[in-house]
Amino acid sequence: SQTIHQWPATLVQPVGSPLSLECTVEGTSNPNLYWYRQAAGRGLQLLFYSVGIGQISSEVPQNLSASRPQDRQFILSSKKLLLSDSGFYLCAWSVGTGDEQFFGPGTRLTVL
Amino acid sequence: AQTVTQSQPEMSVQEAETVTLSCTYDTSENNYYLFWYKQPPSRQMILVIRQEAYKQQNATENRFSVNFQKAAKSFSLKISDSQLGDTAMYFCAFMRGYGGSQGNLIFGKGTKLSVKP
Repeated sequence: SQTIHQWPATLVQPVGSPLSLECTVEGTSNPNLYWYRQAAGRGLQLLFYSVGIGQISSEVPQNLSASRPQDRQFILSSKKLLLSDSGFYLCAWSVGTGDEQFFGPGTRLTVL
Repeated sequence: AQTVTQSQPEMSVQEAETVTLSCTYDTSENNYYLFWYKQPPSRQMILVIRQEAYKQQNATENRFSVNFQKAAKSFSLKISDSQLGDTAMYFCAFMRGYGGSQGNLIFGKGTKLSVKP
């Protein structure tokens, strides 16, 4: 069966510091991968999605970037965090476009 | 641009009773998918049910069913025989069926459901 992992589970970082969140999927090949952010009391906002290695599409211009160095690995990064980057970050995968997405356990990021 | 609206920020229901959560959406597309996701206090997003827009038959999944009204752009979720474990945030989501941004979920702001013993 397929599983999706995210780490770290929680992270507290100072403003201006770098960020790297990792997401990996097991049990499937060539999945579509997604990064979402959920601000407090709000729904999810799609940040990036990827249909293959090295293929990244950005939905919202911001302080963050994403990379997919391996088929089942998706990384969310920032060179300098802002206070507004605080939130709950969720990674998701799907078999293909149009299919339901399955979410990881999430990372709670607090920027101080 | 597509939008998803959940007009009920919070709802409560007694255990074993039935509750309906509302969702409306706005799109000019004809081919799309609709979803309900559940987010319990653990914050894990869990797929509850999926509906293809081209299907007239309403999707069902055990105690969960939807009332899909395509012309009205309405997609409500009915939970029957509510259980304490149903307590969670419920998100309605829209996905285009083709073209650019296909596969991108657009979420509503959610409805917080509390099931009371």
